[in-house]
Amino acid sequence: DTEVTQTPKHLVMGMTNKKSLKCEQHMGHRAMYWYKQKAKKPPELMFVYSYEKLSINESVPSRFSPECPNSSLLNLHLHALQPEDSALYLCASSQEGGRIETQYFGPGTRLLVL
Amino acid sequence: AQSVTQLGSHVSVSEGALVLLRCNYSSSVPPYLFWYVQYPNQGLQLLLKYTSAATLVKGINGFEAEFKKSETSFHLTKPSAHMSDAAEYFCAVTLTQGGSEKLVFGKGTKLTVNP
Repeated sequence: DTEVTQTPKHLVMGMTNKKSLKCEQHMGHRAMYWYKQKAKKPPELMFVYSYEKLSINESVPSRFSPECPNSSLLNLHLHALQPEDSALYLCASSQEGGRIETQYFGPGTRLLVL
Repeated sequence: AQSVTQLGSHVSVSEGALVLLRCNYSSSVPPYLFWYVQYPNQGLQLLLKYTSAATLVKGINGFEAEFKKSETSFHLTKPSAHMSDAAEYFCAVTLTQGGSEKLVFGKGTKLTVNP
């Protein structure tokens, strides 16, 4: 099983709302990632968790708050977002975060901020 | 610093024709290179990866890529295009940061397959 699941598939939220994106994998992977992808652009890394600890934060605004409650689950908490934050949010996981490891991507959550 | 450049944001081929998607890398250390495909409204799927074991790498769906150090290239090819190959293709390289590895993607190439 090489599946990464993400919920919800679509999300519409206002600028004052608080919402969360959820990502789950049951492959025993210890590294998990959040990417943001704008239309017609490549994915851009936001956060990396390695062994449930935040190891990379790509200077993401504090209105995005990641959380890794356990090795299988990764959340992204959203608060006071801006319309320019509308994008496809992709989650990925890999065995341990090594250089030659494959990152397995979920289908993404398409977020629209009004 | 490691980076990749994809030449051609759009490539159009006829069904049955050769597919060639170009990727050049810039790296101060031996690179590990990946090709991912993204179908509309979906996540990314790994096509193949180069990890220094062999310069010619075979992937899924009939794709392959050849690592050429002298040309700093890792072009993706498929002998005969199918309609189902129409998608966005991303070349990527790994970059070490803060003890972890991250993928740095090229800008992508959109492949159109004409009947």
